[in-house]
Amino acid sequence: EPEVTQTPSHQVTQMGQEVILRCVPISNHLYFYWYRQILGQKVEFLVSFYNNEISEKSEIFDDQFSVERPDGSNFTLKIRSTKLEDSAMYFCASSADGNYGYTFGSGTRLTVV
Amino acid sequence: AQSVTQLGSHVSVSEGALVLLRCNYSSSVPPYLFWYVQYPNQGLQLLLKYTSAATLVKGINGFEAEFKKSETSFHLTKPSAHMSDAAEYFCAVTAHAGGFKTIFGAGTRLFVKA
Repeated sequence: EPEVTQTPSHQVTQMGQEVILRCVPISNHLYFYWYRQILGQKVEFLVSFYNNEISEKSEIFDDQFSVERPDGSNFTLKIRSTKLEDSAMYFCASSADGNYGYTFGSGTRLTVV
Repeated sequence: AQSVTQLGSHVSVSEGALVLLRCNYSSSVPPYLFWYVQYPNQGLQLLLKYTSAATLVKGINGFEAEFKKSETSFHLTKPSAHMSDAAEYFCAVTAHAGGFKTIFGAGTRLFVKA
């Protein structure tokens, strides 16, 4: 069964450093998403991406965040200057049509120290 | 705008008992509704989805959910709980009209007692 692949599975970074979280969506999917889950809390929407541009973003997704689909297969989330409160599990998801359910990756656990 | 409320952050049942996880939604347009399951240290897996066809939806692992528009509910049930059902369950909603995001409820952790 097709999978969404996320790397790395765990990343530790120092506060103020830039991080890039990587995702390989399912190959024929057109819609891509990033969500985050702070430990023990709800799954929060960050951003959706379609047709090579951001479709929608939440208030969490401020100027410190950016997304890119650099080569037609990868989908990346960059955090420019990490803060302690960015520590969370980050999930990438993709969907064929945007409305019929997503396939999620296993997540990247980001720890900012 | 859409939102989801899951009633009960924790539910505990005995093995073999009925599982009922409650979800109510709010949406200004006809919604698409989903249940996802998350096992420890894993991503979210789609259990089932309602997309305006049959109101009773069957999913994987013996779960089903019924869309009730009059009650704005989409409760998840399973007739007989199994130990392997212990996990976190998330109800989610997407606006039918070209929505580009799915909003998740706060989650309900299901405990299954032997």
